[in-house]
Amino acid sequence: DTAVSQTPKYLVTQMGNDKSIKCEQNLGHDTMYWYKQDSKKFLKIMFSYNNKELIINETVPNRFSPKSPDKAHLNLHINSLELGDSAVYFCASSHPRVTEAFFGQGTRLTVV
Amino acid sequence: QKEVEQDPGPLSVPEGAIVSLNCTYSNSAFQYFMWYRQYSRKGPELLMYTYSSGNKEDGRFTAQVDKSSKYISLFIRDSQPSDSATYLCAMRAYNNNDMRFGAGTRLTVKP
Repeated sequence: DTAVSQTPKYLVTQMGNDKSIKCEQNLGHDTMYWYKQDSKKFLKIMFSYNNKELIINETVPNRFSPKSPDKAHLNLHINSLELGDSAVYFCASSHPRVTEAFFGQGTRLTVV
Repeated sequence: QKEVEQDPGPLSVPEGAIVSLNCTYSNSAFQYFMWYRQYSRKGPELLMYTYSSGNKEDGRFTAQVDKSSKYISLFIRDSQPSDSATYLCAMRAYNNNDMRFGAGTRLTVKP
């Protein structure tokens, strides 16, 4: 059983398009995250949701909008994609204030 | 200055060598210190964590935290080719879900 699963694994799209990445966790965690990892492997937090409420919203462009229909799901919608959005996007989950975060396999987004 | 600094390497060592990986940080509120391992095209997975200062050992891995110097280390003894991966340090404050990562050090252990 995959603990944190993301779809799709790969996404190639043209500039200006709108796309969504889905994330689901079956660990019963209350907190879910979206991270962006650039080509230099730097992992930066974008959003954090605790029990369906946004608790961290780093300074990311408002073209990025997280949606949490329930505490097991956290989707990421991106409008008007730009070349600089190309990266690997990781979903993760954890219990609140517990050290270990479990990461998904990542979604490799390429904007052409 | 970034909150968490980590030399991205790459670092290449022969099998059996002792590996030392390090991070420095600037936020004195950080209390939890973690090391994640990331294999190519996979998500990061937690390797070790330490609360506050001190050492922690788990098999061939030892994590050290020196809060006075704002410096953390991960030592790998008897390194194996299977240890080849990117190692990311991460840290967060108490009662805070916001985890900050270093840039990651890419390690290759050659047979």
